[in-house]
Amino acid sequence: DVKVTQSSRYLVKRTGEKVFLECVQDMDHENMFWYRQDPGLGLRLIYFSYDVKMKEKGDIPEGYSVSREKKERFSLILESASTNQTSMYLCASSEQGKNEKLFFGSGTQLSVL
Amino acid sequence: GQQLNQSPQSMFIQEGEDVSMNCTSSSIFNTWLWYKQDPGEGPVLLIALYKAGELTSNGRLTAQFGITRKDSFLNISASIPSDVGIYFCAGRTTGNQFYFGTGTSLTVIP
Repeated sequence: DVKVTQSSRYLVKRTGEKVFLECVQDMDHENMFWYRQDPGLGLRLIYFSYDVKMKEKGDIPEGYSVSREKKERFSLILESASTNQTSMYLCASSEQGKNEKLFFGSGTQLSVL
Repeated sequence: GQQLNQSPQSMFIQEGEDVSMNCTSSSIFNTWLWYKQDPGEGPVLLIALYKAGELTSNGRLTAQFGITRKDSFLNISASIPSDVGIYFCAGRTTGNQFYFGTGTSLTVIP
């Protein structure tokens, strides 16, 4: 089974702090994604990556950056956390191809105070 | 990004009843995925569909890829208490973008 591991289940940070959310997948997937999930808004794509060192903006990239130095790891960075970034963050990965499936991690619930 | 229309928003059913939910889109998709998400957890993939008309089962769950390629259905037969959770669909366009439904919250009353 595919395993997508997010380093933290819960995080509490202060406004202005730099925050790193880490995600690792063990199935050699090319594609990796970061979403945030908010009540009433569903899942919204922040950034995605199709290969090492590649990154593409999703629908809501403002206030975020990403890093993909190794194929298995995709990091989401909040340069200066703000209260409106309090959310559930979900990492996902998929194998490129016709029958693509998205596999999600367990999520990181981030609270910015 | 586009959100898919998913209905119903919530369901309260007796244990043992069957459940049906669906997703519709204005766009054509080449993949439909169905997920279950428990509170505070990440979504877990239940069923994947890749061809128009395809009907696929996973235990008591059955999903169908609509003929028009703009909709999909999920049925759960003989519901049990552990079926409680939020179910949502995801569709992938020919442009390789994923879009997600708004979710159906299922409550099973023992």
